[in-house]
Amino acid sequence: NAGVMQNPRHLVRRRGQEARLRCSPVKGHSHVYWYRQLPEEGLKFMVYLQKENIIDESGMPKERFSAEFPKEGPSILRIQQVVRGDSAAYFCASSLYGQGDTEAFFGQGTRLTVV
Amino acid sequence: QQQVKQSPQSLIVQKGGISIINCAYENTAFDYFPWYQQFPGKGPALLIAIRPDVSEKKEGRFTISFNKSAKQFSLHIMDSQPGDSATYFCAASMGSATNKLIFGTGTLLAVQP
Repeated sequence: NAGVMQNPRHLVRRRGQEARLRCSPVKGHSHVYWYRQLPEEGLKFMVYLQKENIIDESGMPKERFSAEFPKEGPSILRIQQVVRGDSAAYFCASSLYGQGDTEAFFGQGTRLTVV
Repeated sequence: QQQVKQSPQSLIVQKGGISIINCAYENTAFDYFPWYQQFPGKGPALLIAIRPDVSEKKEGRFTISFNKSAKQFSLHIMDSQPGDSATYFCAASMGSATNKLIFGTGTLLAVQP
């Protein structure tokens, strides 16, 4: 009974490089959410995707950040030309339904460090 | 309006004591209020959740109290144990429309043996 799988767990990138974070949701879940957690802070919503569609990207920075959830394969959060301020833990969550009080299951996160 | 305010930032409780964490919100469209527990290096895990049509929900040692008129809700951990030491986040969503969660800033709980 695999939960949400995120990889890599830790990622180090130099300023200006690209970071790709992967998320495989719980089997059968078609709703995926990405959150960012800065040190000593709560989780901030970034984007909500359904298979092949971006439903809500109101929390995504306008530049350098993009997300996708293709028909086949994991969801990808891509950060281009990373800067030190992008250093954070990025969590993916999945749920069975897109609305209603259905539980969102979180992965263990990817900790991105920009040097 | 989208914020969820959480207090205290940190909490130290003796083993066997009661831990109380409070949250407040402004947006009356929120209709789902979960609490998440997070251990260091791990992702948040759902602990307990409540909808505004009830004033209290209890699961084992964990109880949510909900005050709709005051727009506040709180988590009570009875008989706190050292294994409860973790960061606790309250959250809210407009569950009828979206499962996007708005999180509080977290409370670091330390239960001393």
